[in-house]
Amino acid sequence: GQQLNQSPQSMFIQEGEDVSMNCTSSSIFNTWLWYKQDPGEGPVLLIALYKAGELTSNGRLTAQFGITRKDSFLNISASIPSDVGIYFCAGQRTSGTYKYIFGTGTRLKVLA
Amino acid sequence: SAVISQKPSRDICQRGTSLTIQCQVDSQVTMMFWYRQQPGQSLTLIATANQGSEATYESGFVIDKFPISRPNLTFSTLTVSNMSPEDSSIYLCSVVGTGRNEQFFGPGTRLTVL
Repeated sequence: GQQLNQSPQSMFIQEGEDVSMNCTSSSIFNTWLWYKQDPGEGPVLLIALYKAGELTSNGRLTAQFGITRKDSFLNISASIPSDVGIYFCAGQRTSGTYKYIFGTGTRLKVLA
Repeated sequence: SAVISQKPSRDICQRGTSLTIQCQVDSQVTMMFWYRQQPGQSLTLIATANQGSEATYESGFVIDKFPISRPNLTFSTLTVSNMSPEDSSIYLCSVVGTGRNEQFFGPGTRLTVL
């Protein structure tokens, strides 16, 4: 199935560093969701974005809905070891269908 | 957000057999979905589970292989039929919350086919 491009694919960072990842597409999206998945568990919703340019925070996490509506960004500030996991973006192209396309994922590893 | 449970949490099955996965939600939800996550991969939508009618399948997925039931607004099952090792994946159910378009996932069922 179709997937969104996420970058970077994986990253190793030192504890305390800030992290940035993004999700891009050639198509326009109406809603962006960001998830974190820990090993052996289902994805957990972190942030939801509903309009172009929207900037939303959830603790140390900040996400933005790109103004072109074709991309989204997630930043994590002052990373800690429990930030380890796989981060997925998900975009909804058509309002009301509730169907999402998922990104390829960014695997984050934090070095203490 | 809704509390979603899945059974079994994991299973190891023999080639050619079938497994039915259950998804239970603690509140009534309109939209329920089934996803597959192959090893090391992202999530792919299998189908939308429709209450009281046949599921709506995505391209590449068919009812004979993945029959789905949705008898009410809190429960759904996905069967993986005539399994082969290529079916080894995590299968996840999800629901759309009562708020906006947020989607929440169950814990997943990890299936290994030998």
